[in-house]
Amino acid sequence: GEDVEQSLFLSVREGDSSVINCTYTDSSSTYLYWYKQEPGAGLQLLTYIFSNMDMKQDQRLTVLLNKKDKHLSLRIADTQTGDSAIYFCAEGPYSGGGADGLTFGKGTHLIIQP
Amino acid sequence: DAGVTQSPTHLIKTRGQQVTLRCSPKSGHDTVSWYQQALGQGPQFIFQYYEEEERQRGNFPDRFSGHQFPNYSSELNVNALLLGDSALYLCASSWWGVNTEAFFGQGTRLTVV
Repeated sequence: GEDVEQSLFLSVREGDSSVINCTYTDSSSTYLYWYKQEPGAGLQLLTYIFSNMDMKQDQRLTVLLNKKDKHLSLRIADTQTGDSAIYFCAEGPYSGGGADGLTFGKGTHLIIQP
Repeated sequence: DAGVTQSPTHLIKTRGQQVTLRCSPKSGHDTVSWYQQALGQGPQFIFQYYEEEERQRGNFPDRFSGHQFPNYSSELNVNALLLGDSALYLCASSWWGVNTEAFFGQGTRLTVV
């Protein structure tokens, strides 16, 4: 079945880059997503990448996709205290609907050290 | 634009009871999906509604049912509540037929005691 794996915690110093990694199993995934969840809040879409792309950059965020290894990463440049949150990787097959039964990982807690 | 709104924000129910959660999609969206997020876990897909019909369903029992109204808003109903149903229930809205990002609401925190 489909599975998305992420490491549970990542600790970085303020100002450094954070790299959050994710592996997935469903080769039919069309889109891969990164969501952010702050304490007590819902999910905020950060960025997504289409499966035929290798890289996508959006301001401080860079997404890298290695489709052969089914590995996705999110790099946050110049990490700030406001980046402290849980980051979820998710995959979604194409079947016409935008939400499409996304499969989420368990999330990576990003901890920022001063 | 209010985005995706869910009500209530918090709810406490007793085991065996029934609960109804509500979701209004982002303006212009016609598809609503529901997710269950247990503590310390990622969200799990429950089902998706479009044109007032359930279109896709995740691995959840029949105790979980839903409805979509002509104005695209949606309800999630859970019958015979179990302690294990305690979770954050998230609603996501999107456009059907366009594979685009889903916008999530803030969720309803359900506690079953």
